[in-house]
Amino acid sequence: RKEVEQDPGPFNVPEGATVAFNCTYSNSASQSFFWYRQDCRKEPKLLMSVYSSGNEDGRFTAQLNRASQYISLLIRDSKLSDSATYLCVVNDVDSNYQLIWGAGTKLIIKP
Amino acid sequence: AAGVIQSPRHLIKEKRETATLKCYPIPRHDTVYWYQQGPGQDPQFLISFYEKMQSDKGSIPDRFSAQQFSDYHSELNMSSLELGDSALYFCASSSALGLAGRRDTQYFGPGTRLTVL
Repeated sequence: RKEVEQDPGPFNVPEGATVAFNCTYSNSASQSFFWYRQDCRKEPKLLMSVYSSGNEDGRFTAQLNRASQYISLLIRDSKLSDSATYLCVVNDVDSNYQLIWGAGTKLIIKP
Repeated sequence: AAGVIQSPRHLIKEKRETATLKCYPIPRHDTVYWYQQGPGQDPQFLISFYEKMQSDKGSIPDRFSAQQFSDYHSELNMSSLELGDSALYFCASSSALGLAGRRDTQYFGPGTRLTVL
């Protein structure tokens, strides 16, 4: 079982809609959580860091549920430029805080 | 703002050749990480350095070695290249331990695309 799991998608969503996806992690002691977005053949770019219960940045909201061990990402008023792969990343306290990566969720925003 | 710089951006090598990838971290970042990402895969952690010392080791093959220099830039040396080494190689950097012992956020360079023929 992978330590960080995501639905690979793709999520096909019309422009302007709201989309949400979850990521579950296996180590309850994990402390830091990140959402990165990655465009095809480009580097992962940090979207949001989540250290406490959640974080909001414009149209993007990340929520952390420690009891159920999942992090969610909500995108409101989606735009064509939001099309990308969204990678959930967890900072693993048991391996000297290495980043543990999910396989990513592919999002396609359609006009 | 200055970002992580990687060179070269593209590299084509033949089997059994060697390659050296370079990474220049964000100024004042003292930790460098190397990742390998194959097509359709998530980034696989290879190795990291903190203050010029190896801090963590991931799935780096014995044919690969890396080091961090006094100016904090890092080089990944790859020998006896195999077809399966073809991938995107990312370098990321971060500052020292952040809040409550957590490592700070990693910022990625644009990557080096290595093709082994």
